[in-house]
Amino acid sequence: GQQVMQIPQYQHVQEGEDFTTYCNSSTTLSNIQWYKQRPGGHPVFLIQLVKSGEVKKQKRLTFQFGEAKKNSSLHITATQTTDVGTYFCAGRGGSNYKLTFGKGTLLTVNP
Amino acid sequence: DAGVIQSPRHEVTEMGQEVTLRCKPISGHDYLFWYRQTMMRGLELLIYFNNNVPIDDSGMPEDRFSAKMPNASFSTLKIQPSEPRDSAVYFCASSLWPGKENSPLHFGNGTRLTVT
Repeated sequence: GQQVMQIPQYQHVQEGEDFTTYCNSSTTLSNIQWYKQRPGGHPVFLIQLVKSGEVKKQKRLTFQFGEAKKNSSLHITATQTTDVGTYFCAGRGGSNYKLTFGKGTLLTVNP
Repeated sequence: DAGVIQSPRHEVTEMGQEVTLRCKPISGHDYLFWYRQTMMRGLELLIYFNNNVPIDDSGMPEDRFSAKMPNASFSTLKIQPSEPRDSAVYFCASSLWPGKENSPLHFGNGTRLTVT
């Protein structure tokens, strides 16, 4: 079945440093979504990417979808303590409405 | 909008007991998903429904797990009998038609299940 791999598993940064998490799928995706889960919370939707090569920005967050629609990345510029949490990518393939989640990257930020 | 509502928030039970988790999706959402989250396996899709009908239950671990959606505003996930390895956080999520652009999953707060 479809597998979504995400790296790194953990990332610890100093406040103000940049952060990137990478997502790779074993199959071509129709779209990819990104979620953030704060410690003790539930996943909250951030964004969806649909088009090959698509780049979207939300303030300090930049999301990319690869040309082959099999990989994606999330980059945070100048991290803040409010960015702490686990970031998940989730891919959907073909006409199947199942959303397969990566295992997430836990980001901790040292103030 | 109250969001997706799950109950209970925490459940502690002994091995062998029956456990029932409940979910009320967002009104108007016709897709409902049950996920299980553990450190080892991450977020796993157990089953999803469309218009109250189970569409894909291939993620349900075994016959001890069952899920129902008797109407558009209520779903249950039952484990009988429960085992310690079932300990996890169980999330319910709902959405509009997933083929619609920007139709994200809206997650409930989850039920943390501990089986001793």
